[in-house]
Amino acid sequence: QQQVRQSPQSLTVWEGETAILNCSYENSAFDYFPWYQQFPGEGPALLISILSVSDKKEDGRFTIFFNKREKKLSLHIADSQPGDSATYFCAASFPGGSNAKLTFGKGTKLSVKS
Amino acid sequence: EAAVTQSPRNKVAVTGGKVTLSCNQTNNHNNMYWYRQDTGHGLRLIHYSYGAGSTEKGDIPDGYKASRPSQENFSLILELATPSQTSVYFCASGDASNQAPLFGEGTRLSVL
Repeated sequence: QQQVRQSPQSLTVWEGETAILNCSYENSAFDYFPWYQQFPGEGPALLISILSVSDKKEDGRFTIFFNKREKKLSLHIADSQPGDSATYFCAASFPGGSNAKLTFGKGTKLSVKS
Repeated sequence: EAAVTQSPRNKVAVTGGKVTLSCNQTNNHNNMYWYRQDTGHGLRLIHYSYGAGSTEKGDIPDGYKASRPSQENFSLILELATPSQTSVYFCASGDASNQAPLFGEGTRLSVL
């Protein structure tokens, strides 16, 4: 049973466009949602995260939009750059910092063309 | 600087052999995790630990053991390696003040 789903599997945008990566989840008890960025040959690195009490989180060109009622969230990458080309993982965890096991989606591979 | 170091970075093993993957963290984090990453599956949790001496089963523990002898070190052990365990393995560490674990650079394991 896949608890965190991501779409699309792959996405290509032109430099300067806004890339939109989607994520949905099944378990309404999830309350923390980090997005990780992974470049080939490297480990995933935290990009931005949001708690379920918020509906939006911004960090520079990266914005998470969160809809608790629909159990959906999206990562928007504004003014996409070729250096943003990577695989992005949406993850989720339950409340309780000492038990922060993450459940990951399968990822979206983003390519930014110049 | 926070760091998670995995060794070896690459490993070729024979079917039926024993493989040990090592992970060291200098972050003084209580929690450590082992994930495997396969194309089409994302990252899946194998084992995790809340502190020295503790290990817990994750979502796909079959065929794997884990050992946490100290706060800093967490090992993943494949007693009888199989080709289906060919994958990239990631170690991560985290704690209650940091819900997003910090990942190492991965170990690429090939079981022939």
